[in-house]
This record gives sequence, C-alpha cells and structure tokens, in this order.
Amino acid sequence: EVQLLESGGDLVQPGGSLRLSCVASGFTFSSYAMTWVRQSPGKGLEWVSAISGETGFPTSTYYADSVKGRFTISRDNSKNTLYLQMNNLGADDTAVYYCVKVPFSSAWAYLDYWGQGTLVTVSS
Amino acid sequence: DIQMTQSPSTLSASVGDRVTITCRASQSVSRWLAWYQQKPGKAPNLLIYEASSLQSGVPSRFSGSGSGTEFTLTISSLQPDDFATYYCLQYNTYSRTFGQGTKVEFK
Repeated sequence: EVQLLESGGDLVQPGGSLRLSCVASGFTFSSYAMTWVRQSPGKGLEWVSAISGETGFPTSTYYADSVKGRFTISRDNSKNTLYLQMNNLGADDTAVYYCVKVPFSSAWAYLDYWGQGTLVTVSS
Repeated sequence: DIQMTQSPSTLSASVGDRVTITCRASQSVSRWLAWYQQKPGKAPNLLIYEASSLQSGVPSRFSGSGSGTEFTLTISSLQPDDFATYYCLQYNTYSRTFGQGTKVEFK
C-alpha cells in the first residue's frame, strides 16, 4: 500500500523559512517522480513543484512561477524522503501542502497517490 | 499557464441522479486530463486519468470523456458516498493546473 507522510508544517513569520518532508513507503520511491501540491481556501489546488525519478539522466526539477527562486525541491532516495525547502515565505504561501506521487519516472504526468497534507501558516 | 474552468461550481442532486461536470481548457491539452474527488478534511483521490481511463479501484459509475479543450466527468447513478468536491487537472505541460472545483451537494 502506497503511503506518503508529510511533516514540517508550522506557523512561521513573513520572510521566514521552513522545510517540509515526506516519507514514502509501499513502492520503489527512487523510480517515481514526486510533486508538491498546495491548497488554500482562496486559491484552491495549486501545483507547486516536481522532481523526476531515476531515469538514467540527471534529476530534473520544475517549479510554479509563484514559488520559483524561493522554493527548492529535493529527494533522498536512500531515505525514501522528499523535501521542500521554502524561503522568504509570504501570506500567499499559507496552505495545506500535499506530497503527491507521479505514476512514472518522468515528472510530466498525472498525480496518483496523495499524502494527507501538512499545514503551513504564514503570519506575524 | 493553461487555465481550467469547471462548471457548474455547485451542483445539487439526489441519490440515483445522473451527474455531469464539465471542464474547459484555455488551450488544447490533448487527452492529458485527470479528475479527482475530494471530501472535507481529506486529500484528493484520483478517479480518471488520460481523459477517460478509470483508476484501479474506482467504481464503474464514474466515467470521463473529451479531448482538446472540453472534457466531462459523469456519474451514472449518484451514490451517498459521491457527495464531494470534484477537480479536473491538466498535465499537458509540466506546469499543471487544476480547475476551481465543483461541489456536488444534496438537493
């Protein structure tokens, strides 16, 4: 059974930083692309970032324009863990952040399994 | 970015009704479209991918159709467990975009 367990969500002040983690189990983590998707009441669901799985080529990363230059996605296949480093946070980044699996090693596909999410609140 | 517009935003229906939700893309996404169901406090759950392929374990009363810019999700006979919010997702580009959601509520 695929399981994705996010952690790291917290209350942070504007301009602050936070690192989210997602521990995966139930599948061969290294073989699949992974993404982060966030959901806030005002903006609905928003794709944030994606990282490719092992493809024989260097790892590829992708970002939404709204987070480019501020967020960094990474993975540690030895720990079956996905990360999202978030810097210079603003109120618009307040959301539940979901870790989501892609059914292929390429990041260019639909999203199949979702974690339960971790809440990030940016407020002073 | 490709914009996805769902209609209606809210749909009132009864158990046993046939329900259709539409998703329109601002430009062609070929057949690279998925549908999700989300219940309050829970993560979205994949129903349909590649416009019409049923995800494993999803009841056959759910079906999808369309290509290019117009897509539909149909529930052939609404069941009590189906009252939820539904989202479409285009993945024609790596910069995926979701529709704004359609809430299916009790009439």
